[in-house]
Order: sequence, then C-alpha cells, then structure tokens
Amino acid sequence: GAVVSQHPSWVICKSGTSVKIECRSLDFQATTMFWYRQFPKQSLMLMATSNEGSKATYEQGVEKDKFLINHASLTLSTLTVTSAHPEDSSFYICSAPKEPGRGFEQYFGPGTRLTVT
Amino acid sequence: GIQVEQSPPDLILQEGANSTLRCNFSDSVNNLQWFHQNPWGQLINLFYIPSGTKQNGRLSATTVATERYSLLYISSSQTTDSGVYFCAVGGNDYKLSFGAGTTVTVRA
Repeated sequence: GAVVSQHPSWVICKSGTSVKIECRSLDFQATTMFWYRQFPKQSLMLMATSNEGSKATYEQGVEKDKFLINHASLTLSTLTVTSAHPEDSSFYICSAPKEPGRGFEQYFGPGTRLTVT
Repeated sequence: GIQVEQSPPDLILQEGANSTLRCNFSDSVNNLQWFHQNPWGQLINLFYIPSGTKQNGRLSATTVATERYSLLYISSSQTTDSGVYFCAVGGNDYKLSFGAGTTVTVRA
C-alpha cells in the first residue's frame, strides 16, 4: 500500500509559540492532501484540504490564520499551528489519495500528537 | 456533509467469538473505508469498499450502497483485534466523514 509519513510523531510546545507538522507521501505524488484533527476519545474531523501550488481550503469553523497550510511540492504538505494554546492540543493526522482519478481510497499518516503547555 | 452512524458504540467479546459492526450513511458515496486505529493512533486501512464484498483473513466487509450501509465482520476474534474501528465515507471531493467509531474489547 501507499505510504504517508508525518514528522514529528509528537511535540510539546509552550503556549504562544508556533509548531510545524510535515506530511509526506513517500512513494507517490499527491496534488491534494487532507488534514484531520482528533481529540481524545473522539472521532476524526476534517480541518482543511491542502492543494499543491494553490491556497488551502478550510472547513467551516477552522481558523485559517491559526492553522497555516503550505503544499509546496507534490510530496509535502505542512501544517503550522500558530500562537498555539492548550486547547489546540490534539492528534493531527494527514491523508492523501494515492490515485486520484482511478479511485478514492485514502492513505493516512501515523499522526502527530501536539501538547501545548 | 454526509452523516455517518456506527453501531454499536462499544463491543466486548470473548476470544474466539464472531462479531458484526455496522455503518450507516446518509447519502450516496464514492468512497467507504474501514479502519482500525491502533493504540498509538495509527489508522490501519482494513478495506476500501464503496460497494460489494471483500475478505481479508478473519475480516470481511460488505457494503450495500443502494441501502446506504456497510458491515464489518470479525471472525474468531483475538485480543489483538481490540481497538477502535472507524468507518469513513466520501463523495467526489475525496473528503472523508468519519463515524464515531466502535470500541472493541476482546477478552482472553
């Protein structure tokens, strides 16, 4: 199957600082990637769609100025949580379709656990 | 977006037992995937099954798209099957809507 990686696996940062999370497709090119957030004991919620070479699109209620997304290449999308606060502590997971146009199956990264102190 | 309901929310099994997890969705879909989330949070792809029936070892899944539901069968359950099982569905835009999950506990 397709492989999607994330870095870092976990990060602890202080309130008010920014943290960047990387999502890479390792064996395929991804013009579109997706970012999800999962709070403890809850399901995954889609935050935004990352588009290579263009602006990201955000789901309703997600602050685009707080969660900056950059999709600078066909294999890398980054999510930057700016001015992080304790309520931003969560599990962030990215995904990508391996073969858009030939199927809709998504592959997920291992996730990044963010703790803001 | 598409609404997804999973049942039951919790399932406790004795090792060796069989079980069925259900996923109902509110609209037609191009994508339906079943995942097992491991203790570290990784989503393990179990099935990509927008329609039809598939089997992989002790697991199998059936999606009846016209009736908007999917079933995941676990046979001869093992303690390693414990965890949260998610159903996720999507349309033409590749966005996925997740159900609330079924937490499965298999006791030795």
